[in-house]
Amino acid sequence: DVKVTQSSRYLVKRTGEKVFLECVQDMDHENMFWYRQDPGLGLRLIYFSYDVKMKEKGDIPEGYSVSREKKERFSLILESASTNQTSMYLCASSFRQGYGYTFGSGTRLTVV
Amino acid sequence: SQKIEQNSEALNIQEGKTATLTCNYTNYSPAYLQWYRQDPGRGPVFLLLIRENEKEKRKERLKVTFDTTLKQSLFHITASQPADSATYLCALDTNAGKSTFGDGTTLTVKP
Repeated sequence: DVKVTQSSRYLVKRTGEKVFLECVQDMDHENMFWYRQDPGLGLRLIYFSYDVKMKEKGDIPEGYSVSREKKERFSLILESASTNQTSMYLCASSFRQGYGYTFGSGTRLTVV
Repeated sequence: SQKIEQNSEALNIQEGKTATLTCNYTNYSPAYLQWYRQDPGRGPVFLLLIRENEKEKRKERLKVTFDTTLKQSLFHITASQPADSATYLCALDTNAGKSTFGDGTTLTVKP
């Protein structure tokens, strides 16, 4: 069964910490995405990537960075975590443009 | 500004009836439109994708229509079951390679 795996289901971090969220897909997909989901705001795109070592800003990239050193892995980095980054983070991948996304189960991050 | 609106936050129907969910958009020219199902605390699950040159697509009890003139997609679940209760999201892709999601409609199917 093909899947997208996010490293942590729940995470609690302190304000100012550097946070790494890892995502791995086993489908040889070209495209990978990071979204955050908040009540009343829906899913918002943070960053996405079409290829290894390539990244594009989404709608809300401020305070985040990403890394894609290998095709199967896409990491989201919170440089200095803040309480307004408390959210559900969802990683997704797609074969290429024009195909549906496969999402991970999500990481619920709480910044205290 | 660009906007995606899903008809209502919540839809309640009786088991066996057809559920119809609406996705309207403004200031987009989508190349594709997708529908996803999301259960509480889980990631969305892809259901169907319809392209701009397609009017309708079906998969088992699901049917999606896409009207680029009305700027609207309708998502139908026929013979609905309590297990269909979930939040349904529409998403648009404008050929930029990234999808923008609506806020979702929560469907409850009562036995």
